[in-house]
Amino acid sequence: SSELTQDPAVSVALGQTVRITCQGDSLRTYYASWYQQKPGQAPVLVIYGKNNRPSGLPDRFSGSSSGNTASLTITGAQAEDEADYYCYSRHSSGNLWVFGGGTKLTVL
Amino acid sequence: QVHLVQSGAEVKKPGASVKVSCKSSGYMFTSHYMHWVRQAPGQGLEWMGVINPSGARTIYAQKFQGRVTMTRDTSTSTDYMELNSLRSEDTAIYYCARDLSATVTWWLDPWGQGTLVTVSS
Repeated sequence: SSELTQDPAVSVALGQTVRITCQGDSLRTYYASWYQQKPGQAPVLVIYGKNNRPSGLPDRFSGSSSGNTASLTITGAQAEDEADYYCYSRHSSGNLWVFGGGTKLTVL
Repeated sequence: QVHLVQSGAEVKKPGASVKVSCKSSGYMFTSHYMHWVRQAPGQGLEWMGVINPSGARTIYAQKFQGRVTMTRDTSTSTDYMELNSLRSEDTAIYYCARDLSATVTWWLDPWGQGTLVTVSS
């Protein structure tokens, strides 16, 4: 089991807004970063820090954090956003890092 | 442009060792930590460990302690991850990923393309 908990699967209608969450005690202290992984591809960074996007990433992706929960929001989901999404942060116990279990996003 | 290029796929027998390489280009190699992450077939991402910029210090996930060794050659900007006593459960894609950080936040960018390690008798 992971110290960071994600819902295994989430679906969203094309063009609608979806929030993917990540829960864990370490998120009270540290920000999460988020990664998108499409089948057969390496993960790609989508959000880091408080709410930062790598250059070139569409601004429909945003991040937020409250208490022990980090969230990735896609505003106006597109078909190409269908992928697995993982959160990542430092472990609450010290110099270790951990991923959430991943959320499979389906765009209907 | 920053690139991480990993070595090719490997097939190993149970009990053997595998050494995966990750060559960096496009940035100051000795200014960044490097993490290793693996992904078993159909499963999520699993953090394995990290090596510091000089290569003098490593931190491994408890699950891999005693079986994994991460090293780096700063003269060639190449990181290595060696996993010993392989078993079928180690069949996975192994990724290297460059560490970046700021106050209370860490992220991995970019990632290598991944190296498939298959353990089979």
